[in-house]
Amino acid sequence: EVQLVESGGGLVQPGGSLRLSCAASGFAFSSYSMDWVRQAPGKGLEHVSGMSTDGGTSYYATSVKGRFTISRDNSENTVYLQMGGLRVEDTAVYYCARRRHPRYYGMDVWGPGTTVTVSS
Amino acid sequence: DIQLTQSPSFLSASVGDRVTITCRASQGISSYLAWYQQKPGKAPKLLIYAASTLQNEVPSRFSGSGSGTEFTLTISSLQSEDFATYYCQQLHSYPLIFGGGTKVDLK
Repeated sequence: EVQLVESGGGLVQPGGSLRLSCAASGFAFSSYSMDWVRQAPGKGLEHVSGMSTDGGTSYYATSVKGRFTISRDNSENTVYLQMGGLRVEDTAVYYCARRRHPRYYGMDVWGPGTTVTVSS
Repeated sequence: DIQLTQSPSFLSASVGDRVTITCRASQGISSYLAWYQQKPGKAPKLLIYAASTLQNEVPSRFSGSGSGTEFTLTISSLQSEDFATYYCQQLHSYPLIFGGGTKVDLK
């Protein structure tokens, strides 16, 4: 079964750090770009970060650039999102999703999400 | 950055209704557009990619059209399981912006 499962969310104080993980199974992980998308409570979807198949290219939303770092381990079929300098406005459900090439194929498999709460 | 304007933001409809949602891009994005359905507490689900191609196992009552700057998602006969929020997303260039969403609820 094709599956993505996020982990690592939780409650953290402003200024703190968290590392999210997304474990993939059931497909050729190294053939897909991977993305992180978040959704603040009651709000829409925001593309936070993305990484190419070999990890050579990455993208960050302006809102997280310099604070978040995406990485992947193709031998472990896992993508990570290291989050630092966390702010109250980073509170959201964080989803990982896979995306194949060309980009117009969209994000066809999503994990169930992991919740990050930034609060003092 | 490319901006997407989705309309309407809210839509009340009945089972069996034909529903159309529009997504406008601030600049041309060819066919680099996807549509997603999201139900409360669940991850988004891909419905349409490349503006008009139905994702596997998505019912044929869903269809997408358009290219360039104007796109539509149509549900030909709304079913009870279709009450949800729908998002468009441009995949032409980073950032891969999502539209603001359209919530479809029961009239």
